Amino acid sequence: AQRVTQPEKLLSVFKGAPVELKCNYSYSGSPELFWYVQYSRQRLQLLLRHISRESIKGFTADLNKGETSFHLKKPFAQEEDSAMYYCALGTGANNLFFGTGTRLTVIP
Amino acid sequence: DADVTQTPRNRITKTGKRIMLECSQTKGHDRMYWYRQDPGLGLRLIYYSFDVKDINKGEISDGYSVSRQAQAKFSLSLESAIPNQTALYFCATSDARVSGTNNEQFFGPGTRLTVL
Repeated sequence: AQRVTQPEKLLSVFKGAPVELKCNYSYSGSPELFWYVQYSRQRLQLLLRHISRESIKGFTADLNKGETSFHLKKPFAQEEDSAMYYCALGTGANNLFFGTGTRLTVIP
Repeated sequence: DADVTQTPRNRITKTGKRIMLECSQTKGHDRMYWYRQDPGLGLRLIYYSFDVKDINKGEISDGYSVSRQAQAKFSLSLESAIPNQTALYFCATSDARVSGTNNEQFFGPGTRLTVL
């Protein structure tokens, strides 16, 4: 069965420090991985997807099939990065399985 | 701007009552979804619909039903609400015309439902 694990419910970093939000998945097929973000008083929205291989707002994420991971990274955290981050797994039927989320707080 | 809207935004009801949550979209997307969000559990898929004649159960469909009245409207019903259905409910849409198996989903603002 498919599963997405985000081990950290809360993560606090200082402004300018590197940040890494962890995501591990379990899926027997060919996965598509996404990061969604919800800023305060805003809707849940797509941040990035692994097939795009792009950097959004300074964030990157690499799919590591050997470790079944899709960790989200940013070298220098900004205050505006404070938000709830969800890792999501797409299984080929246009359905997404979400992790439990990590609330990131960037301390000024 | 094209949008996904949900009504009501907040609802308090009693155990045993029938509740309908409505979702409308002006994005022209054919695919629509209902999720519930619980603290510590993330978002879980309740039902999804790929077009007006297509309805599919998600991970946690028990106790819920849906109706796709038109391409733009997808309603979620709780036939007899119970307290453990207290949650934040999200509607989402996606566009099948966009290439790729799993397409970006666009979320509504959410409906906070409390069942007493």
